[in-house]
Amino acid sequence: AQSVAQPEDQVNVAEGNPLTVKCTYSVSGNPYLFWYVQYPNRGLQFLLKYITGDNLVKGSYGFEAEFNKSQTSFHLKKPSALVSDSALYFCAVRDIGTGRRALTFGSGTRLQVQP
Amino acid sequence: DARVTQTPRHKVTEMGQEVTMRCQPILGHNTVFWYRQTMMQGLELLAYFRNRAPLDDSGMPKDRFSAEMPDATLATLKIQPSEPRDSAVYFCASGLVIGVGEGNQPQHFGDGTRLSIL
Repeated sequence: AQSVAQPEDQVNVAEGNPLTVKCTYSVSGNPYLFWYVQYPNRGLQFLLKYITGDNLVKGSYGFEAEFNKSQTSFHLKKPSALVSDSALYFCAVRDIGTGRRALTFGSGTRLQVQP
Repeated sequence: DARVTQTPRHKVTEMGQEVTMRCQPILGHNTVFWYRQTMMQGLELLAYFRNRAPLDDSGMPKDRFSAEMPDATLATLKIQPSEPRDSAVYFCASGLVIGVGEGNQPQHFGDGTRLSIL
């Protein structure tokens, strides 16, 4: 079975400071990992993905994430937060080793960036 | 920019009524997903289609929900009869799968249908 956990319901950070949104996953094989962002009254928007290769992946809007196989983590990071980054962030996983084709999404983390 | 289009954006109706939600996937995409989002349950997968064939509808209550793709440009999700507990935001997403690379491409979401059952 595949699962993903986002241990923080909310993350607060001051504008200009670095931000981290945490994600851990559980799979029986190798994972495909994704981050999405959701703004109010909108659908989820793709930020970045890890499929294979370099553990550090870069995505949209200056976000990046590091795949750590030993810790089964895929934390989302940004060096300098903007107020406009305030939104709901979802981590998602697909276990390549199983027959389930669809993604499993985490419960979401609300990021609040204060001016 | 190509987008997934969902209609209606909002729907308010009384318990027992039939509800139909529609989705136009991005042209050329061959996978379609239906999700339901609530505060309590988060984002739940209801159904997954590839090349218009249902591959996974294990998350969908079979007695009242049905999902179809009459053609490649239209996906529908129906609830009959509707109940207050069906109140949620329903999202459609589409994606492209090529060969054996299933699941390694991002899904593109519509802006959802906000459903309220009174």
